[in-house]
Amino acid sequence: GAGVSQSPSNKVTEKGKDVELRCDPISGHTALYWYRQSLGQGLEFLIYFQGNSAPDKSGLPSDRFSAERTGGSVSTLTIQRTQQEDSAVYLCASSELWSRSGNTIYFGEGSWLTVV
Amino acid sequence: DAKTTQPNSMESNEEEPVHLPCNHSTISGTDYIHWYRQLPSQGPEYVIHGLTSNVNNRMASLAIAEDRKSSTLILHRATLRDAAVYYCILRDPDYGGSQGNLIFGKGTKLSVKP
Repeated sequence: GAGVSQSPSNKVTEKGKDVELRCDPISGHTALYWYRQSLGQGLEFLIYFQGNSAPDKSGLPSDRFSAERTGGSVSTLTIQRTQQEDSAVYLCASSELWSRSGNTIYFGEGSWLTVV
Repeated sequence: DAKTTQPNSMESNEEEPVHLPCNHSTISGTDYIHWYRQLPSQGPEYVIHGLTSNVNNRMASLAIAEDRKSSTLILHRATLRDAAVYYCILRDPDYGGSQGNLIFGKGTKLSVKP
């Protein structure tokens, strides 16, 4: 597609359930980012992929959060045993790994997660 | 990424120019200055970026200080649709490892009054 695609766009889940959020980056973009944004708050960096590898996972809030990327393309963010404080919009972004333009980052519309 | 400092909020009247400042005193020689904005209930979107020279595009202008330790995003005629949070960040195009951790600050919340 033309832009970063995320699914689902909205998800309501019960506390304790697992959820998977998917990100389909712009074709050819090597770098992929996940962010979380709670209502009225700033962007919280979660994890960054360079190809299929994540050099730094320290931004993930807890061990209930995991992310993977396969084939250098689609990424999945998994939240296990969801808690109410996990309610937020989860944003994915992608960029070229290197370019003379200084790596413009393109964001998806986000996946709005509500844990009830 | 090097740290940037922005005012928490600014106000503007519709159809007047807006100058949004950003300080980045620890910028390195290879860092590009990027601006993004986030409209309500949307993901951030690219506005403009530059390295040393001032830049203009359809959305805005970017004025970069000669020493590159500060920059200013200029909206020539603010509209109600420009009400958003504006983020100034620094990007090194040749990065790897932890340099890929792209950290956004709190940005400047711009309010536009009719």
